[in-house]
Amino acid sequence: AQRVTQPEKLLSVFKGAPVELKCNYSYSGSPELFWYVQYSRQRLQLLLRHISRESIKGFTADLNKGETSFHLKKPFAQEEDSAMYYCAILGRGYNKLIFGAGTRLAVHP
Amino acid sequence: NAGVMQNPRHLVRRRGQEARLRCSPMKGHSHVYWYRQLPEEGLKFMVYLQKENIIDESGMPKERFSAEFPKEGPSILRIQQVVRGDSAAYFCASSTGQLSNQPQHFGDGTRLSIL
Repeated sequence: AQRVTQPEKLLSVFKGAPVELKCNYSYSGSPELFWYVQYSRQRLQLLLRHISRESIKGFTADLNKGETSFHLKKPFAQEEDSAMYYCAILGRGYNKLIFGAGTRLAVHP
Repeated sequence: NAGVMQNPRHLVRRRGQEARLRCSPMKGHSHVYWYRQLPEEGLKFMVYLQKENIIDESGMPKERFSAEFPKEGPSILRIQQVVRGDSAAYFCASSTGQLSNQPQHFGDGTRLSIL
């Protein structure tokens, strides 16, 4: 079965601290993984996808097939990073995303 | 480009009534997806449509739910005889093509509350 697990509902850190939002997946084959972010009062938007290997707003995520993980990391959190973060996998047939339950990141001054 | 537009933003219905949720995709997008988000959960795929065709409805409940994307006008998600368990946020997304090549853009969602 295809599944995405985000074990933490809430992650609370202080400004300047490192951040790691965990994501584990269950998928047979070559997965395509994404991180979406929803800031307060804004719509869900794509943050990054693993195939582009890019860094957006200082965030990076590495696909670890051995551990079936796609954790999102940032070395120094900013207050404006406070948001809901969703990890997602592209389902078979490439016509839907399968989302985790989300992690709320709260960055305190 | 105003992005994906969903209306209404909030919808209140009594049990047994019908709920109609509308989604206008981004200009130039012919692929529409509906997701449902229950409290404390992630978005769950419901249905994928292209103009006038349902491509994948594997996430749709078998009864009371239907979706369409007519040649003209917005995509409609219709829930007949609503029950309390239908209370959720319903999100629409659109793309220009298959998600392996094209990003998916989301609307603000419709919050459906059943009294």
